[in-house]
Amino acid sequence: KAGVTQTPRYLIKTRGQQVTLSCSPISGHRSVSWYQQTPGQGLQFLFEYFSETQRNKGNFPGRFSGRQFSNSRSEMNVSTLELGDSALYLCASSPIDRGEQYFGPGTRLTVT
Amino acid sequence: GENVEQHPSTLSVQEGDSAVIKCTYSDSASNYFPWYKQELGKGPQLIIDIRSNVGEKKDQRIAVTLNKTAKHFSLHITETQPEDSAVYFCAASSAAGKSTFGDGTTLTVKP
Repeated sequence: KAGVTQTPRYLIKTRGQQVTLSCSPISGHRSVSWYQQTPGQGLQFLFEYFSETQRNKGNFPGRFSGRQFSNSRSEMNVSTLELGDSALYLCASSPIDRGEQYFGPGTRLTVT
Repeated sequence: GENVEQHPSTLSVQEGDSAVIKCTYSDSASNYFPWYKQELGKGPQLIIDIRSNVGEKKDQRIAVTLNKTAKHFSLHITETQPEDSAVYFCAASSAAGKSTFGDGTTLTVKP
């Protein structure tokens, strides 16, 4: 079974721009979560989607948003990028309500 | 909200020795405790997990113990090998799809 895929793998953006990251979960997984990983803050939960609905949300500003499509694929969007948004953005998928999460390789976002 | 503390932040052991990483959590509602291994340039990989109705779980050289009363859980790796070198994260979860992670432990296994 194919793992979680994330595109693009690397991205360089300028402050003030917006960016959209994509995640394709493992086939059959309906829950998709997003995390931000930085050296200083570690792994921080952004939000989780299940059946196209946002079910949980972390403590991030409204510039961070996401959505999930009917095929469980998910996108996250960051508007008005700031230098501090530079991070590895990880997507994880879960089988329905079973807890374990399977992570993709991440998208490395650099904001200049 | 949940708070997870992980110790130590770095751990260096000789090949063949055991390694132990400890985590504490704050939310008594947490009922799922996974451990992840992250290698350079990769996403975290689930290596073992334990649920709150179990005290110990073992998978070959890896074991996890959970003390719900004290709100702490530990990862034990026996007979360490150089390929065990990585960053290890503990996490606690009370809601599906949302985990709070520890800050990570960088394990180095010296040949």
